[in-house]
Amino acid sequence: SAVISQKPSRDICQRGTSLTIQCQVDSQVTMMFWYRQQPGQSLTLIATANQGSEATYESGFVIDKFPISRPNLTFSTLTVSNMSPEDSSIYLCSVVPFGGEDEQYFGPGTRLTVT
Amino acid sequence: QKEVEQNSGPLSVPEGAIASLNCTYSDRGSQSFFWYRQYSGKSPELIMFIYSNGDKEDGRFTAQLNKASQYVSLLIRDSQPSDSATYLCAVNGGAGGTSYGKLTFGQGTILTVHP
Repeated sequence: SAVISQKPSRDICQRGTSLTIQCQVDSQVTMMFWYRQQPGQSLTLIATANQGSEATYESGFVIDKFPISRPNLTFSTLTVSNMSPEDSSIYLCSVVPFGGEDEQYFGPGTRLTVT
Repeated sequence: QKEVEQNSGPLSVPEGAIASLNCTYSDRGSQSFFWYRQYSGKSPELIMFIYSNGDKEDGRFTAQLNKASQYVSLLIRDSQPSDSATYLCAVNGGAGGTSYGKLTFGQGTILTVHP
């Protein structure tokens, strides 16, 4: 499986500000995704990060709030914009490596607290 | 709305026993099925995946899939206290379609293995 890192690992931010989360993989991957895990909840898919094109967002998530970039096959960013306390969550990137089937692996996550 | 339901927990088993975790899904087009283990404060770790009807064994873990019944389960033999975690069932969308790669998660089952 791929080695995935995320930066920052955690942050405390003020409402109204924005935070960009980075996801770096040690090898090229076919697919990259961003998920959110709210406190005490399971994971919810935010969007598919498409290499070289606009991300594909799930119902309830919009580009203005969660802009995503994926400039190459190993790197993606998720920005949480104009934050409110409701955005306090763990944000996780996941990847589908080349050469496997479609198993998906998760990064260590970014724990965001908005005050 | 695609749904994934897991048996309600928490589940408590004695050390050495078999732990049985169950999951049902609503989308008949689902192609692949995953079990993740999540320790408190950590990201989900992939422990099993299964694509075909029947059983798949890996060490102490056995995944079982019945597509006709839309049912997938995970058995943990010789349970250890270190198996205590939340287990998440995840279902992948149909192969090649717009849902491909997008995981829908169940709510998770908390497993406690007591000595």
